[in-house]
Amino acid sequence: NAGVMQNPRHLVRRRGQEARLRCSPMKGHSHVYWYRQLPEEGLKFMVYLQKENIIDESGMPKERFSAEFPKEGPSILRIQQVVRGDSAAYFCASFPGGAGYNEQFFGPGTRLTVL
Amino acid sequence: SQQGEEDPQALSIQEGENATMNCSYKTSINNLQWYRQNSGRGLVHLILIRSNEREKHSGRLRVTLDTSKKSSSLLITASRAADTASYFCATDGGRDKLIFGTGTRLQVFP
Repeated sequence: NAGVMQNPRHLVRRRGQEARLRCSPMKGHSHVYWYRQLPEEGLKFMVYLQKENIIDESGMPKERFSAEFPKEGPSILRIQQVVRGDSAAYFCASFPGGAGYNEQFFGPGTRLTVL
Repeated sequence: SQQGEEDPQALSIQEGENATMNCSYKTSINNLQWYRQNSGRGLVHLILIRSNEREKHSGRLRVTLDTSKKSSSLLITASRAADTASYFCATDGGRDKLIFGTGTRLQVFP
């Protein structure tokens, strides 16, 4: 059973370009979280998605950022018109859902560098 | 602002010594978790302690929780060079989202 997959692992973009980050949750997991980690800091929550639904996007900037988790395929975090301040590691985590506590399983992250 | 603050920010010890990291948080919690992050990698879940628990063990790890002081500690006994990593505490922020602390960077020298 493969773990959470993220790609690409490293992404370099110039200012103004678009960045698309992909996350494939563990098999059987229908809940995905995205977190951002700036250098030398902890992870900060961005968005929580279930299949075809955004449950909580309170941590995501209102402009330029969007996320989706379609019925088929990976979850996508999309950053339009990137700026240098978007340079960070972006992690997704998945869990199966259901009652009770669910441990989140983290992917290896995508490291975005904006030149 | 982030829920958790870790102390110390960085810690350097020799192999065989114990490492203690502390985490303080601000609001009521249902549980608190500790994660490890090796340089350039994702997070690995270490241990979860629920709000009604005071202490928990897992191998060389010992976690304590004091809800009256809103603090937790992670003790790694008999540390190894392979324990070198950043350690984060995380509390539940509602809807199962995690609120992470700023982390403690642990360096274990052989």
